[in-house]
Amino acid sequence: ETGVTQSPTHLIKTRGQQVTLRCSSQSGHNTVSWYQQALGQGPQFIFQYYREEENGRGNFPPRFSGLQFPNYSSELNVNALELDDSALYLCASSAVGLGSRSGYTFGSGTRLTVV
Amino acid sequence: DQQVKQNSPSLSVQEGRISILNCDYTNSMFDYFLWYKKYPAEGPTFLISISSIKDKNEDGRFTVFLNKSAKHLSLHIVPSQPGDSAVYFCAASASNNDMRFGAGTRLTVKP
Repeated sequence: ETGVTQSPTHLIKTRGQQVTLRCSSQSGHNTVSWYQQALGQGPQFIFQYYREEENGRGNFPPRFSGLQFPNYSSELNVNALELDDSALYLCASSAVGLGSRSGYTFGSGTRLTVV
Repeated sequence: DQQVKQNSPSLSVQEGRISILNCDYTNSMFDYFLWYKKYPAEGPTFLISISSIKDKNEDGRFTVFLNKSAKHLSLHIVPSQPGDSAVYFCAASASNNDMRFGAGTRLTVKP
């Protein structure tokens, strides 16, 4: 059983650029959530995808968008990058309805640096 | 809005002793509470959860206690081992699609 894999592991972008982060969910999991973790803070919920549709969103602006594909993999897109977008981006997968009970499976994250 | 708070950024205990990590929350609609452990360069790993209808859940060396009236939960690790040294995150969920995390507590278990 493979876990959650994220790519790339590290990325440096310039302010104003756009970035796409990718995530492959754990086998058997159909729900993908994205989190942003700034230095010294806990993960902040960005949004969740289920059945290729957004299924909940945190307090992030529309320039943060996502996709989920039929194989349950997912992308996080961020437009017009700002310096404050520098953070660790975590992808987490779960089987629908079970995330709260048995926890999400997290990937190792993508470290995004905006300069 | 910080709905889940971990007020202790760090904790140091001796091997074999008990580690107690604390967490407070403000949203009374939370119905599940979870603890995650995170090692450097890895994503958080699920440890244990508890439903809001319970006040205790135990899994081996790990026990989570929930005090709903105080909106407080704690994670007890007994006995603590050096391999337990990591950052521990408390998390809470009011629905299955919006899990809120605390800022984490760095636990160091000294041999």
